[in-house]
Amino acid sequence: GAGVSQSPSNKVTEKGKDVELRCDPISGHTALYWYRQSLGQGLEFLIYFQGNSAPDKSGLPSDRFSAERTGGSVSTLTIQRTQQEDSAVYLCASSLEPTTSGLAKNIQYFGAGTRLSVL
Amino acid sequence: AQTVTQSQPEMSVQEAETVTLSCTYDTSESDYYLFWYKQPPSRQMILVIRQEAYKQQNATENRFSVNFQKAAKSFSLKISDSQLGDAAMYFCAYRSAIRGSQGNLIFGKGTKLSVKP
Repeated sequence: GAGVSQSPSNKVTEKGKDVELRCDPISGHTALYWYRQSLGQGLEFLIYFQGNSAPDKSGLPSDRFSAERTGGSVSTLTIQRTQQEDSAVYLCASSLEPTTSGLAKNIQYFGAGTRLSVL
Repeated sequence: AQTVTQSQPEMSVQEAETVTLSCTYDTSESDYYLFWYKQPPSRQMILVIRQEAYKQQNATENRFSVNFQKAAKSFSLKISDSQLGDAAMYFCAYRSAIRGSQGNLIFGKGTKLSVKP
């Protein structure tokens, strides 16, 4: 696609429910990133995928959070048993490559995010 | 660990005037990238300008330019001839260029820029 697409744009859920957030990166981008933007914490990095692999999951806030990427394309961030503190905007970004040489290949392009509200 | 600090939570500028947003960072790495992103109410982060740490020349993109002071670990953004459409949150971000790193962005807290007509 032309840009990074995220769905849904907004999600309201009840405490304790599971939610799935979707990210469709720019075609051909091998690197994919999830970030969380909240009032108290600012923008924090959650997880990175190189292809379908996430080498380090330590940025995920708790074991209720999981993420996967299939076919080197679409990624899903799942939050189980949502809590009110999970309320935030979840942003996805993609880039051509992670950290190989050349700034142009390292630029991250962002989607418009999913605003999650947990009641 | 790397950190990014934006000391101005809010700034205001008159239309057509110039404004400078501050950013400092802390790192022990020698090779990295710095970015300024703009986030309007639509939430989509838009890249404004980028700088490679090994380049001494300051980056410029039309009305936007940076003052990169590597020794001082400072990376300020200057917006010239401010326009109403420049009103947004501006985030300064750091990214390691070390091979093998994940390449995630480390953001400052942001500066909310208002443009007065």
